[in-house]
Amino acid sequence: NAGVTQTPKFRVLKTGQSMTLLCAQDMNHEYMYWYRQDPGMGLRLIHYSVGEGTTAKGEVPDGYNVSRLKKQNFLLGLESAAPSQTSVYFCASSSQRATQYFGPGTRLTVL
Amino acid sequence: AQKVTQAQTEISVVEKEDVTLDCVYETRDTTYYLFWYKQPPSGELVFLIRRNSFDEQNEISGRYSWNFQKSTSSFNFTITASQVVDSAVYFCALWSGGGADGLTFGKGTHLIIQP
Repeated sequence: NAGVTQTPKFRVLKTGQSMTLLCAQDMNHEYMYWYRQDPGMGLRLIHYSVGEGTTAKGEVPDGYNVSRLKKQNFLLGLESAAPSQTSVYFCASSSQRATQYFGPGTRLTVL
Repeated sequence: AQKVTQAQTEISVVEKEDVTLDCVYETRDTTYYLFWYKQPPSGELVFLIRRNSFDEQNEISGRYSWNFQKSTSSFNFTITASQVVDSAVYFCALWSGGGADGLTFGKGTHLIIQP
């Protein structure tokens, strides 16, 4: 039982490049979330999903897209990376009205 | 709108001292959940505790205790006899409604335990 895993752990991009972050959970959770963590800002919600095939915007969705084609996976895409997207990205999952469990994070640097 | 305030940006104490981390929250919902997470230097987020809005009982778990007071909208966290391994960033978070909107986090308190 791996819990929540994230791929990759680290990535460096140049401005304008694209990439996809993968989140996978093996707890059969309905809800999945993507957050970003910036120094002194805490974590902020980017997008979330309440079930397979559904997605919704969070607090800071601009510049990101997401997809939930399978219940266990939640993908976060950056179509044209910008330096402002340099951050640590965390994925989380939960069953309804329960605790969110977080993945180990992905450290992304955009040059 | 929801808001979580952790006014203490950084706290430094000497090992074995007791330390309290403050958390004040704002929400219009009557049903909500409060959480504390720990982020050690390794970077992962570790769940510590969840409290729902209908349960104001304080909780103690080993050296950790939590004081939830709806009257002051506070959910404070105390570490007794602190240890160097307690050094981390601690986040307080709020969740209400159907859970679909994610957690609202405070900005975190960086706790430094000096040997």
